[in-house]
Amino acid sequence: AQTVTQSQPEMSVQEAETVTLSCTYDTSENNYYLFWYKQPPSRQMILVIRQEAYKQQNATENRFSVNFQKAAKSFSLKISDSQLGDTAMYFCAFMKWANDMRFGAGTRLTVKP
Amino acid sequence: EAQVTQNPRYLITVTGKKLTVTCSQNMNHEYMSWYRQDPGLGLRQIYYSMNVEVTDKGDVPEGYKVSRKEKRNFPLILESPSPNQTSLYFCASRELTGGNTIYFGEGSWLTVV
Repeated sequence: AQTVTQSQPEMSVQEAETVTLSCTYDTSENNYYLFWYKQPPSRQMILVIRQEAYKQQNATENRFSVNFQKAAKSFSLKISDSQLGDTAMYFCAFMKWANDMRFGAGTRLTVKP
Repeated sequence: EAQVTQNPRYLITVTGKKLTVTCSQNMNHEYMSWYRQDPGLGLRQIYYSMNVEVTDKGDVPEGYKVSRKEKRNFPLILESPSPNQTSLYFCASRELTGGNTIYFGEGSWLTVV
């Protein structure tokens, strides 16, 4: 079974600075998808960014970007110019083709003013 | 508007009293699933369904039942709730083909006393 590991239970960053959240996964598959979800205090699950494993180019969405290292099975999220609204729980998730999504345990990020 | 709707959003119940959490989606998605979220464990899948009348167990199915009589609805049934089922529950849906965005409901807080 695929596993997703987020080794940082909690992190903090000063407003306007950059922070990187780590995620590693374990799979024998070659085709899969990786996601980062944000969960603010409202508990809503918000998709931040997704990456297809067959694409070498790292995905970017405004201030959010990933560092996808397929051989190392690593998928980190970089948040640039951190804002107070980025304070949330962040979940890394893995999905095989047409299959279930598996989540890491989450990283609680606090952005300090 | 694309939506996954769960009800109730908040519920406190007593041990052994049967309850149903409803889930409905308006996107004609084939795939629907239920997750529970617990601190330090992320989201874990309870049950999923790939189409009407097709359901299967996820990682933590004990104590739960589901049904899929219609494509849009996927209720979660707790026949005899116990305190260890106190959790935040999410319903989700997506198209069956791989890599598609998964849509989450807003979550249902369930407390069993």
